[in-house]
Amino acid sequence: DGGITQSPKYLFRKEGQNVTLSCEQNLNHDAMYWYRQDPGQGLRLIYYSQIVNDFQKGDIAEGYSVSREKKESFPLTVTSAQKNPTAFYLCASSQNGGIQETQYFGPGTRLLVL
Amino acid sequence: AQKVTQAQTEISVVEKEDVTLDCVYETRDTTYYLFWYKQPPSGELVFLIRRNSFDEQNEISGRYSWNFQKSTSSFNFTITASQVVDSAVYFCALSEDRGSQGNLIFGKGTKLSVKP
Repeated sequence: DGGITQSPKYLFRKEGQNVTLSCEQNLNHDAMYWYRQDPGQGLRLIYYSQIVNDFQKGDIAEGYSVSREKKESFPLTVTSAQKNPTAFYLCASSQNGGIQETQYFGPGTRLLVL
Repeated sequence: AQKVTQAQTEISVVEKEDVTLDCVYETRDTTYYLFWYKQPPSGELVFLIRRNSFDEQNEISGRYSWNFQKSTSSFNFTITASQVVDSAVYFCALSEDRGSQGNLIFGKGTKLSVKP
């Protein structure tokens, strides 16, 4: 089955800790995205990547970092600099990032701060 | 100012009622795309429809229909004979060329509750 997987489903972070959220896709898509969703809010773009070894900041990149070493994988690290990390994180991918393309989403990771 | 406005935060209907979810967008581009996504309680966003700015034809897919009107910058979504399984948060999104900022802008969503 082609699709996007995210792990873990739930993640708990202690104060001052960095945590990494996994996102993998087997759709052979070039572009991948990370969004943050807060209760009652739409999705806001954190980072995106249109090709391996390249990525761009989105609207709310502060306190986050990403890497894109493989086409299939786009992990997101929530650093200790992110002061309010509790949110639902969604990963998405599209064919090559054009405005006409549909983004397909993974099941999400819910991050909670202890 | 919001580029995608979904003025209805929450809607509650009884099963079999028709319901329309409103979406108003703002863009200066002549080429853009509009999307609707469904987010059930499980959390994953499910793609429903994509529409380009040059095609104003209404679209129908089963109980779902979409009305795109450039004159009022609206892309409304109607569910006919709603069912309990339609309960979800529905997002409208605009895709335009934003340069290095990525291209998809989401509204804040409308939570639809369909009661039996």
